Amino acid sequence: DQQVKQNSPSLSVQEGRISILNCDYTNSMFDYFLWYKKYPAEGPTFLISISSIKDKNEDGRFTVFLNKSAKHLSLHIVPSQPGDSAVYFCAASKGGSEKLVFGKGTKLTVNP
Amino acid sequence: SQTIHQWPATLVQPVGSPLSLECTVEGTSNPNLYWYRQAAGRGLQLLFYSVGIGQISSEVPQNLSASRPQDRQFILSSKKLLLSDSGFYLCAWKGVPGLAEEQFFGPGTRLTVL
Repeated sequence: DQQVKQNSPSLSVQEGRISILNCDYTNSMFDYFLWYKKYPAEGPTFLISISSIKDKNEDGRFTVFLNKSAKHLSLHIVPSQPGDSAVYFCAASKGGSEKLVFGKGTKLTVNP
Repeated sequence: SQTIHQWPATLVQPVGSPLSLECTVEGTSNPNLYWYRQAAGRGLQLLFYSVGIGQISSEVPQNLSASRPQDRQFILSSKKLLLSDSGFYLCAWKGVPGLAEEQFFGPGTRLTVL
């Protein structure tokens, strides 16, 4: 049972345009959501997070939107840069748990 | 600042051989520690986590085991490797149990079982 789903295995965008990465979850107990970025042969790097009490969190070029009724979150990258090319993982946790549940990732390619 | 180390970076082992991967964290006390595996074309699978010395929770039944002999040391082991154990192994830490949710990952170990 996959509780966190990233249905697009890959996404390709032009440099300067917006990248939108999507994530859906099934467990309504999740109350904290995170995005990680991973380059090949490296560990994931924490990017941005959002608590369920918010619907938006912004950090520079990265914005995460949360739609609790739809159990959906998205990561917007504006403007996209070639260095953003990586695999992006969505993750979720629920209060009291020490664990994160990860999606399978979306590979973003930003073309110059 | 906190840093996390993993070694070795790469490892090629024959089927049936033992395994020991080590992870250490600096700059924090009493962290939660985690072992993940990323198999080819797949996401991050949580294998084990530990909230304290000697406390290990196993997430997936397999021929791997984990130990936490010291506060900031986490070891992943196997007595006999299988081909299916190949993958990219990641260690992660999380501070302040019950509060901040972010986990921070090490550089990973690429294991190839032949």
